[in-house]
Amino acid sequence: GENVGLHLPTLSVQEGDNSIINCAYSNSASDYFIWYKQESGKGPQFIIDIRSNMDKRQGQRVTVLLNKTVKHLSLQIAATQPGDSAVYFCAENIWTGNQFYFGTGTSLTVIP
Amino acid sequence: DGGITQSPKYLFRKEGQNVTLSCEQNLNHDAMYWYRQDPGQGLRLIYYSQIVNDFQKGDIAEGYSVSREKKESFPLTVTSAQKNPTAFYLCASSPDSYYQPQHFGDGTRLSIL
Repeated sequence: GENVGLHLPTLSVQEGDNSIINCAYSNSASDYFIWYKQESGKGPQFIIDIRSNMDKRQGQRVTVLLNKTVKHLSLQIAATQPGDSAVYFCAENIWTGNQFYFGTGTSLTVIP
Repeated sequence: DGGITQSPKYLFRKEGQNVTLSCEQNLNHDAMYWYRQDPGQGLRLIYYSQIVNDFQKGDIAEGYSVSREKKESFPLTVTSAQKNPTAFYLCASSPDSYYQPQHFGDGTRLSIL
């Protein structure tokens, strides 16, 4: 889940398992979505994006699923590794503007 | 390597002092952005610029100022009017076209002395 105040949602997974991180976006007019990974003390790093004319997009070890009916986005990470430990957050954008709106993030911890 | 460079990595401000955070990009991106990140919150937009010599206020512009004299550079000044400046500041850039992600620098952490 997203936006729960001062404490980030957390997810702990065993190394080698698959991870699923969820994001509920707010604006039904949003038509472009991005997942970012942020390690402690660093800037967000682009992982994968998806446009609203798609339901699914795959990258290397990552898959993004978009459900426009319920305004829900998910990030699936296959065979999670210790290096995947970070905060993950989604961003939404309406094509008419340059502004993105960012979720609060989910903290993923991978247990070796 | 193309990228976004923010400096300094850590910055301390005294009461009544203005401080300037640097952001430089060599990605040839037209648009640049400044965000503020507080613990447990999403990024909040301070200012953005889509072209040289033009910029717009974001959601939390009060107490901040920017300039965009060169395409590569978008410095942010945190003025003494910003009463709660302690935060992690992130600069981003993107091509000025649709369906393009923003790319981020590694941030500046500002603290109050």
